[in-house]
Amino acid sequence: DVKVTQSSRYLVKRTGEKVFLECVQDMDHENMFWYRQDPGLGLRLIYFSYDVKMKEKGDIPEGYSVSREKKERFSLILESASTNQTSMYLCASSPSSRRGIAEQYFGPGTRLTVT
Amino acid sequence: AQTVTQSQPEMSVQEAETVTLSCTYDTSESDYYLFWYKQPPSRQMILVIRQEAYKQQNATENRFSVNFQKAAKSFSLKISDSQLGDAAMYFCAYRTGPNFGNEKLTFGTGTRLTIIP
Repeated sequence: DVKVTQSSRYLVKRTGEKVFLECVQDMDHENMFWYRQDPGLGLRLIYFSYDVKMKEKGDIPEGYSVSREKKERFSLILESASTNQTSMYLCASSPSSRRGIAEQYFGPGTRLTVT
Repeated sequence: AQTVTQSQPEMSVQEAETVTLSCTYDTSESDYYLFWYKQPPSRQMILVIRQEAYKQQNATENRFSVNFQKAAKSFSLKISDSQLGDAAMYFCAYRTGPNFGNEKLTFGTGTRLTIIP
């Protein structure tokens, strides 16, 4: 089974703090993704990466950055957390299209509260 | 840009009955994938079913089936013999066809399904 893990299920941070959300996958997937999930808005893509050290902006990258130093690990960074970044954050991974598998596999999510 | 619309924020169904969740999408591409994902309360998002646009046959996975209408850009999910474990948030998602470096999903806003015992 594909396993995608996230470092925390629940996180509470203060406004202005630097926040790191970690995601690790164990299936040698090329692609990794960070989504934000808010009620009534569905999942929105923040950043994705299709290779080590590669990153692409998604639909809502403002206020976030990412890091992918190793294939299995993809980190989301909130440089200076703000209350409007309170949300559920989902990490996902998928193999490259070349492998013929199209779906993404999701982690359990991190519910972040910024006070 | 592609968009995915789920017009039913909430639905409910009696246990053992059949329910259909709606999804429409907008795209100018001819080759793409469509998915239904399920997110149970406080649990991980999992794939329910997948449809490749080039396939005319509707996908089926046990009690789950889709009605894929390519011309109408419609992709509904039918759940037969509903069970209590089907209670979840269901998301419809779109992905462009095989395209290295652009394999992101576009999601709808979700439909919360309640199963009535």
